[in-house]
Amino acid sequence: EVQLVQSGAEVQRPGATVKISCKVSGYFFMDYYIHWVRQAPGKGLEWLGLVDPEDATIIYAEKFQGRVTISADTSTDTAYMELSSLRSEDTALYYCATSGGGYDIHKFDYWGQGALVTVSS
Amino acid sequence: QSALTQPASVSGSPGQSITISCTGTSSDVGDYDRVSWYQQHPGKAPKVIIYEVNKRPSGVSNRFSGSKSGNTASLTISGLQADDEADYHCCSYAVGSSLVFGGGTKVTVI
Repeated sequence: EVQLVQSGAEVQRPGATVKISCKVSGYFFMDYYIHWVRQAPGKGLEWLGLVDPEDATIIYAEKFQGRVTISADTSTDTAYMELSSLRSEDTALYYCATSGGGYDIHKFDYWGQGALVTVSS
Repeated sequence: QSALTQPASVSGSPGQSITISCTGTSSDVGDYDRVSWYQQHPGKAPKVIIYEVNKRPSGVSNRFSGSKSGNTASLTISGLQADDEADYHCCSYAVGSSLVFGGGTKVTVI
């Protein structure tokens, strides 16, 4: 059974940095991309970027370039997403999700349970 | 990359058909057949119900169908059921190997 288990909820001050983990099990870690997607309260989904654990290729959404860092640790089958210079608008549920490569890049097959990040002074 | 445009809400009666639109540009929906749709019930993670514009993953009801014309993709739910009440999100591959979502549509079964 494929499982993506994320780290717990975080409360951060404006200007701080948050790092969320996504531990994968049930498949070979390097076979699928890991994406990061967020959802602000009552809002739609927003794509932050992806990592290909096989070759460490990383692609960021233009909006988050310079502020987000995505990585993958193949020794622990864990992906990470770090977001810096936090502001109140970054308060959201952050999901990790898997997809295949190539033509399947847009098909998110499995999702983590989400990690709530609250930015508040 | 701007978000795709979806209606905020759509409603229908049990047994009816409804259609949700998802409008992008020639840099995303219009140029690629990599459009997917996700169903999200309250408090749950999204679930893929359509990919590559009109393909259904194994186990997804054939009451869900997808299509595309120009810069607009559409999701149709036929034979509306109470359990279809949820949020629906479209997603498209976009230029630069990026992905973009729509704002989400709340479906209400009245």
